[in-house]
Amino acid sequence: AIQMTQSPSSLSASVGDRVTITCRASQGIGTELAWYQQRPGKVPKLLIYAASSLETGVPSRFSGSGSGTTFTLTISSLQSDDFATYYCLQDSTYPRTFGQGTKVEIK
Amino acid sequence: VQLVESGGDLVHPGESLSLSCVGSGFTFSSYWMTWVRQSPGKGLEWVANIHEYGSRENYLDSVKGRFTISRDNAKNSVYLLMNSLRPEDTAVYYCARDTSPERDGNYFDALDIWGQGTMVTVSS
Repeated sequence: AIQMTQSPSSLSASVGDRVTITCRASQGIGTELAWYQQRPGKVPKLLIYAASSLETGVPSRFSGSGSGTTFTLTISSLQSDDFATYYCLQDSTYPRTFGQGTKVEIK
Repeated sequence: VQLVESGGDLVHPGESLSLSCVGSGFTFSSYWMTWVRQSPGKGLEWVANIHEYGSRENYLDSVKGRFTISRDNAKNSVYLLMNSLRPEDTAVYYCARDTSPERDGNYFDALDIWGQGTMVTVSS
């Protein structure tokens, strides 16, 4: 199975900060990667699919990039609603695999 | 548009349990459906998915041979039959709709609608 490794595992940031989360795949996956946000006690929410396509209704401060083995999720200006855990998910091969998550906390 | 799971319970190791997920507000038969689980305090883990008409299924290696995903489009429902349950299967189980968007001739996974989850506890 493809291993997905996110970095950092957690970070502290302030409202208005630019935040970047990285996801690395153990082998090339093209652009077959999605990003999900999970707020505490809530269900996951789709943010980005196909590495860089923004899901309808997701604020434009979220963006995704990358291909092959290295991907990034960027939040251009962190808002209070964005404090959550973020997961990448590869959909290149079965079984699908999530990264371990990156928790974004308030500084 | 929503998904509602049910069937979670406390069971002993080795026992079986069946989860259900009912969709409403959309054409259920047009979508792949996926089960994802989350152990207490842990991350997300993809478990299984099933083709729109049930003709293809895929599984996480650790559940292959023990879990079976199925669907009944007439009932707008997807199921997860779990046999030989282990303590490490303890988790909240979510069902999710996959919109399978197409970009440049390729299809991608996009789990856009999630249920609220149902808790499965495996303990002696």
